[in-house]
Amino acid sequence: GAVVSQHPSWVICKSGTSVKIECRSLDFQATTMFWYRQFPKQSLMLMATSNEGSKATYEQGVEKDKFLINHASLTLSTLTVTSAHPEDSSFYICSASPGTADEQYFGPGTRLTVT
Amino acid sequence: GDSVTQMEGPVTLSEEAFLTINCTYTATGYPSLFWYVQYPGEGLQLLLKATKADDKGSNKGFEATYRKETTSFHLEKGSVQVSDSAVYFCALRNAGNMLTFGGGTRLMVKP
Repeated sequence: GAVVSQHPSWVICKSGTSVKIECRSLDFQATTMFWYRQFPKQSLMLMATSNEGSKATYEQGVEKDKFLINHASLTLSTLTVTSAHPEDSSFYICSASPGTADEQYFGPGTRLTVT
Repeated sequence: GDSVTQMEGPVTLSEEAFLTINCTYTATGYPSLFWYVQYPGEGLQLLLKATKADDKGSNKGFEATYRKETTSFHLEKGSVQVSDSAVYFCALRNAGNMLTFGGGTRLMVKP
């Protein structure tokens, strides 16, 4: 149980275009979803926290107009990287939690390459 | 703010060697502590956790003890296998269910 999927697993896009990444909890309802960014050989940096039906809370330094997060249902959250640039190339990981004090279950990640 | 520091890798060991990956933390209050493992091409998986001082988390032969006096949560395994090769992340969770991760330590186990 507690499986989280991400789609796509990897994507290549041209500079200036937008890319949408999906995060789904497959066998539980996720009250809260988290989006992280992982640079090569570095740790995960929390980008934002989203609760179903409400606006995401972004960490300091993360541009909310560039990284659009939607958590429209209890099993799906999306991250849209708008007007992507090469510096946005990274590994994006989501996690989902059934409740505010519960375990986070991580997706396999999405590798984004912007050319 | 909260922070987690863990030893830099890579750590290279021979099969059946003893493993220690150091982790120390800085946090207000009484955080829960975690070790996550990331196998190549996969997402993070919870390896073990401890929620209060002196608790010992254990799983798959790995163990770590929550030491409040030294603010540490070192990961140990008595005999590593090639299949343990992965990146290991120490993390803490404080209020609000937010995780703060260490930098990760890559473990390479050679046959």
